Amino acid sequence: AQSVAQPEDQVNVAEGNPLTVKCTYSVSGNPYLFWYVQYPNRGLQFLLKYITGDNLVKGSYGFEAEFNKSQTSFHLKKPSALVSDSALYFCAVRDMGSSASKIIFGSGTRLSIRP
Amino acid sequence: DTEVTQTPKHLVMGMTNKKSLKCEQHMGHRAMYWYKQKAKKPPELMFVYSYEKLSINESVPSRFSPECPNSSLLNLHLHALQPEDSALYLCASSQPPRVTTNTGELFFGEGSRLTVL
Repeated sequence: AQSVAQPEDQVNVAEGNPLTVKCTYSVSGNPYLFWYVQYPNRGLQFLLKYITGDNLVKGSYGFEAEFNKSQTSFHLKKPSALVSDSALYFCAVRDMGSSASKIIFGSGTRLSIRP
Repeated sequence: DTEVTQTPKHLVMGMTNKKSLKCEQHMGHRAMYWYKQKAKKPPELMFVYSYEKLSINESVPSRFSPECPNSSLLNLHLHALQPEDSALYLCASSQPPRVTTNTGELFFGEGSRLTVL
């Protein structure tokens, strides 16, 4: 069975500082890993994904994520945080070897950027 | 702007009402999903349609009835709901797995906020 964990309910960062939102995963096959962001009363917006290839993935709004197979992690990062980055962030995993086409979300991390 | 459109954005209904949520996508995707999301929680998968056929039902109560009339449309029919069913209902689409054009990610609509009185 596949699963994904986000160990931090909330992350607080000062504007201009680097940020990291943590995610670890567990799958039986090859993982497809995703990060989504959700602003209040909105749907989920896709940020970036890892499928194969380079372990450092770049996405929207200056975000990037590093895939680490040995640590089964896929942490989201940004070199310099903006107040507008404040939102709810979800890590997700999909087992592409399965015909069930399920995508499983982590519990979410609320990112708060203070001016 | 999202390419997955959900209507209505807000819906208030009584426990004896019958209503429907609608979702439309024009990205040529052949998999469509319904998720339920409570405040500050992750989306919970309800149903998956693949090539217009129901492929996953996550043991959802029968008061929720999905329908996929064609490859672009997905409905969720609601009947005799309970107050605890109040939530944000999200529709999403993607290519099914094992399709060469599948890049894996889901594309979400903005959701329908449902309140059951």
